[in-house]
Amino acid sequence: QSLLTQPPSASGTPGQRVSISCSGSSSNIGSNAVNWFQRLPGAAPKLLIYSNSHRPSGVPDRFSGSKSGTSASLAISGLRSEDEADYFCATWDDSLNGYIFGGGSKVTVL
Amino acid sequence: QVQLVQSESELKKPGASVKVSCKASGYAFTTYAMNWVRQAPGQGLEWVGWINTITGNPTYAQGFTGRFVLSLDTSVTTAYLQINSLEADDTAVYYCARERPSYGFPSIDLWGRGTLVTVSS
Repeated sequence: QSLLTQPPSASGTPGQRVSISCSGSSSNIGSNAVNWFQRLPGAAPKLLIYSNSHRPSGVPDRFSGSKSGTSASLAISGLRSEDEADYFCATWDDSLNGYIFGGGSKVTVL
Repeated sequence: QVQLVQSESELKKPGASVKVSCKASGYAFTTYAMNWVRQAPGQGLEWVGWINTITGNPTYAQGFTGRFVLSLDTSVTTAYLQINSLEADDTAVYYCARERPSYGFPSIDLWGRGTLVTVSS
């Protein structure tokens, strides 16, 4: 059971906006930064968002992140077929003194 | 090219040991620590621990002390995860993941593809 809660799935048609939430607590999201990753079958997870809302170079600006209190969100605007993948959040937990992860959200492009 | 290349899948019998490797390339290996994460079948990602690539000092998550050993060979820019006295519950994909703090916070920014370790008699 993951310590960060994500919806198991999200979907949209091409061009739509999809949002995925990541819910935690004061000891993790509430006091640390959140990263978001995209995972495709057989590939290494790819960093999409770091420090809640920053995009690494090369990541399209269709991907955006935000954090408020003990929750974070990833939004994908202008949804494309290649965005169909699993997305998960990650952050440090001060009580556990280690990383924790969301269970992942499968995005389907209809 | 900045990447982490992990060793191939392993099939081991209960009680045996396995050593998973993670070779870093494209950056200065000792600049960033290395984390290890596992995902058992049908389960979520679980942090195993991390190793300081300068000192070689490992830190283990609760539940991963004793049989799990993190080590390095800086001469070949490679991190290792060894699991001793394998049990069926150790069956999982094991990932290495680079630690790159951001704005003063812990942060993982780069992952390997993962190594499947299967424990079966």
